[in-house]
Amino acid sequence: DAGVIQSPRHEVTEMGQEVTLRCKPISGHNSLFWYRQTMMRGLELLIYFNNNVPIDDSGMPEDRFSAKMPNASFSTLKIQPSEPRDSAVYFCASSFLGEETQYFGPGTRLLVL
Amino acid sequence: TQLLEQSPQFLSIQEGENLTVYCNSSSVFSSLQWYRQEPGEGPVLLVTVVTGGEVKKLKRLTFQFGDARKDSSLHITAAQPGDTGLYLCAGGTSNTGKLIFGQGTTLQVKP
Repeated sequence: DAGVIQSPRHEVTEMGQEVTLRCKPISGHNSLFWYRQTMMRGLELLIYFNNNVPIDDSGMPEDRFSAKMPNASFSTLKIQPSEPRDSAVYFCASSFLGEETQYFGPGTRLLVL
Repeated sequence: TQLLEQSPQFLSIQEGENLTVYCNSSSVFSSLQWYRQEPGEGPVLLVTVVTGGEVKKLKRLTFQFGDARKDSSLHITAAQPGDTGLYLCAGGTSNTGKLIFGQGTTLQVKP
């Protein structure tokens, strides 16, 4: 069975550019989570969706970050404009609604120059 | 705000040694999970404990959930180089599916 799929795996961009990260959750899962991981701050929850509806976006650092989930099999996290401090590994995870076991994708390593 | 504190943050030991990683909070969690993450990959679930005082064993790894469901420990017996990685504890918050992650413990096991 396919796990959580993320693309791209690596992204290098220049400050000010728009960055779009993509996630395909495990089929049948109806909760989706976006995390950011850095050495300094560890794994931080940015936003999560239940049944494609954003439930808690309190972890989104600022208005430059936005996330959408147009259907059950696809979600995007967009940063516009990007800044060097956004450099991190971004993970997407999915689960069955209400279950506390989350399955993580391989992550997108983002470097903003 | 619910927080989980892990200790130690870094651990470097020789193959064959035993170790314990701790995960503590002042908050009660509905469950406590342990994940292991290898470089370049996402965290992978090792175990979930849900009952206060629960102990689970996974080969050389022993996981315990505190009686009050506020803390947990991971004990590794006779560590192997393959145990090297980042260990993360995560607390479940009832009915939301949301997890609160600790900062992680980086374990290095030298051959």
